[in-house]
Formats: sequence, structure tokens, C-alpha cells
Amino acid sequence: DGGITQSPKYLFRKEGQNVTLSCEQNLNHDAMYWYRQDPGQGLRLIYYSQIVNDFQKGDIAEGYSVSREKKESFPLTVTSAQKNPTAFYLCASSISYGTQETQYFGPGTRLLVL
Amino acid sequence: QKEVEQDPGPLSVPEGAIVSLNCTYSNSAFQYFMWYRQYSRKGPELLMYTYSSGNKEDGRFTAQVDKSSKYISLFIRDSQPSDSATYLCAMSDIRSGGSNYKLTFGKGTLLTVNP
Repeated sequence: DGGITQSPKYLFRKEGQNVTLSCEQNLNHDAMYWYRQDPGQGLRLIYYSQIVNDFQKGDIAEGYSVSREKKESFPLTVTSAQKNPTAFYLCASSISYGTQETQYFGPGTRLLVL
Repeated sequence: QKEVEQDPGPLSVPEGAIVSLNCTYSNSAFQYFMWYRQYSRKGPELLMYTYSSGNKEDGRFTAQVDKSSKYISLFIRDSQPSDSATYLCAMSDIRSGGSNYKLTFGKGTLLTVNP
């Protein structure tokens, strides 16, 4: 069963704490993406990765960090520098970057601040 | 002017109605156009994907692109309660060399189909 998995489904963060959201895909896609979705807003790109060991900042990268050590995994860390982290976080992947292939999304992680 | 404008609704229709969802955009370089459906608290799923102008049909869904007017539409025929969701339009500008693949999303339209 091919797809994108995200965990956990819900995540709670305390003030000053870093938290890491997991994203795994078994679609053999080269490119992976992280988006943030806030109520009444479209999806905003945080980071993207075209290939293993490479990633680029998106439109709202401040307060976030990523790594891409394996093709199938693209974890996102929400650092304490992100002052408004409460949102729905979506991971996506596409066959490769810069082609006409579109993106497929995981089920999302909802991050809440305690 | 925002790059992509989409009426957030909410839109409420009776079962069996024809639904029309629309987006306008300002960037004439957009070439690829997508519609995603997102159920509450779930990730978006790809519904339709079109390139340049024209129509594309898939079952009850028809996607229409008018690049001259910078306007895209999604039509749903014989709407069902299971179509109740938020519909997001998305578009991309893939420039030569494939070095710039970024989806720009509308804010989404919330649709409710009443039985």
C-alpha cells in the first residue's frame, strides 16, 4: 500500500520546546515538501527537498528546520523560535522536482501549544 | 493583488445540484492547474490536473481552464453529500530547466451538499 504517512496525528508543544514531526513515503518519490495550513488560509510552503541531502527554504522557513538523510523520510522540527506554531502541518511528495508531476499529500499533523 | 483568489464560501447546495467552484489568478506564467479536495482534518487529495487551457472531465467532475481570462473552474454534477469538503485550487509555473516547481494555493472553498 503506497502512500505518505505522518505522525503523530496530534502533537502538543510546551513553551520553549522543540518538537519534530515525522513524514515517511514509500512512493519512491524524489521530492518532498512541508506546508503549514492555518484556518481560512491556503497552504504555505515551509521547506522542500529535491533530493536526498538537499533542501531549500520555502516562503515561511523561519523557526523551522528539516533534514533529508533518506529518500523516504523528511522530518520537520518546529523550534522554540517559531512563535506561532499552532497549525495543521502537511507533508507532500512528488516524483521529482521541476517536472509536471504534481504533489501528493499525507494526512497531516495538528500541532497545538500548551 | 493576491496571486490566487478563491471565494471561501461557505457554499451550501441540495443533493443533485450542479456545483461551480472558481479561482482567478494574476500570474500569466501559471501553466499547470490542479484541484484538491480536503475533508475536515485530513490531507488534501488530488482531484483534477490540467495543463494550459481547455476542459478535462473525470466522472462527475469537470475542470475548465481559461488562460486568457486567468480563470479556472471545477464543476461537480449530480453532487452528493460525500462531496462535502473544502476544495482547493492550486497552480504552478514550471519554467524551462525545471528549476522552479512551486504550487500556489487558493484559500479553499467550503462546500456542503445537503441530502
